Amino acid sequence: AQSVAQPEDQVNVAEGNPLTVKCTYSVSGNPYLFWYVQYPNRGLQFLLKYITGDNLVKGSYGFEAEFNKSQTSFHLKKPSALVSDSALYFCAVRDFLNNAGNMLTFGGGTRLMVKP
Amino acid sequence: EAEVAQSPRYKITEKSQAVAFWCDPISGHATLYWYRQILGQGPELLVQFQDESVVDDSQLPKDRFSAERLKGVDSTLKIQPAELGDSAMYLCASSRDRGNTIYFGEGSWLTVV
Repeated sequence: AQSVAQPEDQVNVAEGNPLTVKCTYSVSGNPYLFWYVQYPNRGLQFLLKYITGDNLVKGSYGFEAEFNKSQTSFHLKKPSALVSDSALYFCAVRDFLNNAGNMLTFGGGTRLMVKP
Repeated sequence: EAEVAQSPRYKITEKSQAVAFWCDPISGHATLYWYRQILGQGPELLVQFQDESVVDDSQLPKDRFSAERLKGVDSTLKIQPAELGDSAMYLCASSRDRGNTIYFGEGSWLTVV
């Protein structure tokens, strides 16, 4: 079975400061990891993914995420937060070897609040 | 940029009534998904199609929910009869194939009263 944990319901950060949104995962095989962002009353927008290769993945809107196999984590980061980054962020995992159906399992989401 | 189209965006229905949602995936995407997202939670997969065939519907409440993708392009998700607990956002998504990134539509908000 595969699962994702986002330990923080909400993260508060001041504009211009770096931000981190945490994600840990559990799979029995090799993980494919994703981050999505959701604005109010909207669908999910793809930000970035880790499949293989470099542990630091760069995505849309200046976001990046670092894959850490030993800690089974995939934290989302941005060097300088913008007020417009305020939204709901979801981490998701797919077990590549043991999930031929491509089912994504999502975490519960973390609300990011960036204050001016 | 191509998008996944969904309609209606908002639907209010009385319990025990029937409701249907429509989805048109990104052109060329063979895999189509329906997810349900309850307020404050992450999306959960209801059903997955590969072309016109159902790949996974293990989480679909089949006594009241049905989904079809007859020609392997657009898809319809139906609920009959609707229950109060069905109030949620229903998200359609698509990917080029099973191993690729999944892209989501704007979602259809359902309120059952």
